[in-house]
Amino acid sequence: QQQVKQSPQSLIVQKGGISIINCAYENTAFDYFPWYQQFPGKGPALLIAIRPDVSEKKEGRFTISFNKSAKQFSLHIMDSQPGDSATYFCAASTTSGTYKYIFGTGTRLKVLA
Amino acid sequence: GAGVSQSPRYKVAKRGQDVALRCDPISGHVSLFWYQQALGQGPEFLTYFQNEAQLDKSGLPSDRFFAERPEGSVSTLKIQRTQQEDSAVYLCASSPPPAIRYTFGSGTRLTVV
Repeated sequence: QQQVKQSPQSLIVQKGGISIINCAYENTAFDYFPWYQQFPGKGPALLIAIRPDVSEKKEGRFTISFNKSAKQFSLHIMDSQPGDSATYFCAASTTSGTYKYIFGTGTRLKVLA
Repeated sequence: GAGVSQSPRYKVAKRGQDVALRCDPISGHVSLFWYQQALGQGPEFLTYFQNEAQLDKSGLPSDRFFAERPEGSVSTLKIQRTQQEDSAVYLCASSPPPAIRYTFGSGTRLTVV
């Protein structure tokens, strides 16, 4: 029940295209869903996060879509650029207690120039 | 400092050796987390501190793992009698209250040979 399932494992997109990464969770107690971007040799960096009271959040080229009834959320990267090539992790947490994140297994994105 | 600082960046330990990994959080961040990231996987929670209090250590994989934050700032993760399965990147993160928005360090890559 603590798992967060992420897909696809890897993704190749042409420059200017849309990258879509999906995640699903089981624990309905989760109420905070961040996405992190990680470059090789670096720690994860927060991209964007959403709470379940909204269905969509947009920041620049990054959009999270959230479906509470399906317990799914996704990251859309519009106008993908070669500099977006990185590994992306979704995560889920509760905003009470420990605030520990349950991370997905990651998606390795490559944007072709 | 401006970010979370971890040292050493790389550590090679012989099996059975004890190691100590250091984390300097962002000044003023009361919450501090340790995560373990195996190769090609998402980070997994190890332990959580609020100031000097260790409020959650449920993710520590065995009693060989020990973490402390005696003055509520710098934290040390100690692994005794290292084993090959301990090889991973150990990430530290800190957060101001509320503890939900982390800033991760670049991690310490531990290789046990």
